Amino acid sequence: DAGITQSPRYKITETGRQVTLMCHQTWSHSYMFWYRQDLGHGLRLIYYSAAADITDKGEVPDGYVVSRSKTENFPLTLESATRSQTSVYFCASRQDAYGYTFGSGTRLTVV
Amino acid sequence: QKEVEQDPGPLSVPEGAIVSLNCTYSNSAFQYFMWYRQYSRKGPELLMYTYSSGNKEDGRFTAQVDKSSKYISLFIRDSQPSDSATYLCAMSANTGNQFYFGTGTSLTVIP
Repeated sequence: DAGITQSPRYKITETGRQVTLMCHQTWSHSYMFWYRQDLGHGLRLIYYSAAADITDKGEVPDGYVVSRSKTENFPLTLESATRSQTSVYFCASRQDAYGYTFGSGTRLTVV
Repeated sequence: QKEVEQDPGPLSVPEGAIVSLNCTYSNSAFQYFMWYRQYSRKGPELLMYTYSSGNKEDGRFTAQVDKSSKYISLFIRDSQPSDSATYLCAMSANTGNQFYFGTGTSLTVIP
């Protein structure tokens, strides 16, 4: 099926562990994004990528690492998870001037 | 000051009511404006988009942009219980830039 797929849907991890959230899109959109969504803050941009091997920081990049070796994949890694990184993470891609297509999200809990 | 301000609600209306959702912004460079709808535990989905000022209508939904007041609105006519969701506004200065999101307004339409 065409679309944008995030995995896992739910994840519980311990403080200090490394965690990788996966994002895969089937359209070959150039732009891909990672957002986190928290109550009272809305959607905040973590990192984005304009093309394979091109990434840039967003509003809240600290503690996160991204890579984009292939156009269709854009994984997000939490190098050493902290409780403040408990959130819902959304991956998105964009083809044209208007709007993103979002994945279904990964609900991450750091204990 | 946040780039985009949105009243979080919650907003509760009877079925058939006209709903008005609003956002204000501070960056006069914004010229792409979008509204997203997000159902519980789902990713946001693009509902409406407009470029620069003016109105755009799509079925029961009308998006309005007033750049002179830095104010955008989404009107929902004949609201339905299926419209119950969180509505997020988003905006951008140009196609290459990130989009800035409001925190979302929670809407419940009571049958």
